[in-house]
Amino acid sequence: KQEVTQIPAALSVPEGENLVLNCSFTDSAIYNLQWFRQDPGKGLTSLLLIQSSQREQTSGRLNASLDKSSGRSTLYIAASQPGDSATYLCAVRPRRETSGSRLTFGEGTQLTVNP
Amino acid sequence: EPEVTQTPSHQVTQMGQEVILRCVPISNHLYFYWYRQILGQKVEFLVSFYNNEISEKSEIFDDQFSVERPDGSNFTLKIRSTKLEDSAMYFCASSRTALKGGYTFGSGTRLTVV
Repeated sequence: KQEVTQIPAALSVPEGENLVLNCSFTDSAIYNLQWFRQDPGKGLTSLLLIQSSQREQTSGRLNASLDKSSGRSTLYIAASQPGDSATYLCAVRPRRETSGSRLTFGEGTQLTVNP
Repeated sequence: EPEVTQTPSHQVTQMGQEVILRCVPISNHLYFYWYRQILGQKVEFLVSFYNNEISEKSEIFDDQFSVERPDGSNFTLKIRSTKLEDSAMYFCASSRTALKGGYTFGSGTRLTVV
């Protein structure tokens, strides 16, 4: 059964810092990995989607990498801003589930960027 | 940017009552999903739906739950007799393709069972 773990659980940084959030998964048989942002009491906003054949994806100040063989992904946030404060979730779409349609989520990293 | 719309945003119901949570997926998406997040816990898969039938469901999705696409735009989750432990945020999502496409999630319905 696929397990997804995110480290650290919480992170507090001063504005302007570059930071890295980590995601690991136990089964490398995946179709893709998606990073989401969740604001308190709100829905999930997709940030980046990386297919299993890709190594990284970039969107603005965000860069996500994927090392499928080692079961790891990182989300790099450059020049952090207070507006980046949120919980960041990673989710994998396992290849070995019955139809591959479900996502398996990590617990999330709660990020606080202080002005 | 196309959105997945969920209504209501918050619902309070008495234990044992039936609730229907509503979702309007993105119009050209073909695959629809429900997930839930109990406060402080991980987001969990409930069910996926394609071509007017359930394609996959989790162990959480028991006989108390059902899904329906009553018309060309709505996708609903019904809980027949709510329990206290059904209190959670319920998210609807859709995707254009089955396996390689990304998900788009709605903003969620917070269900509180009292």
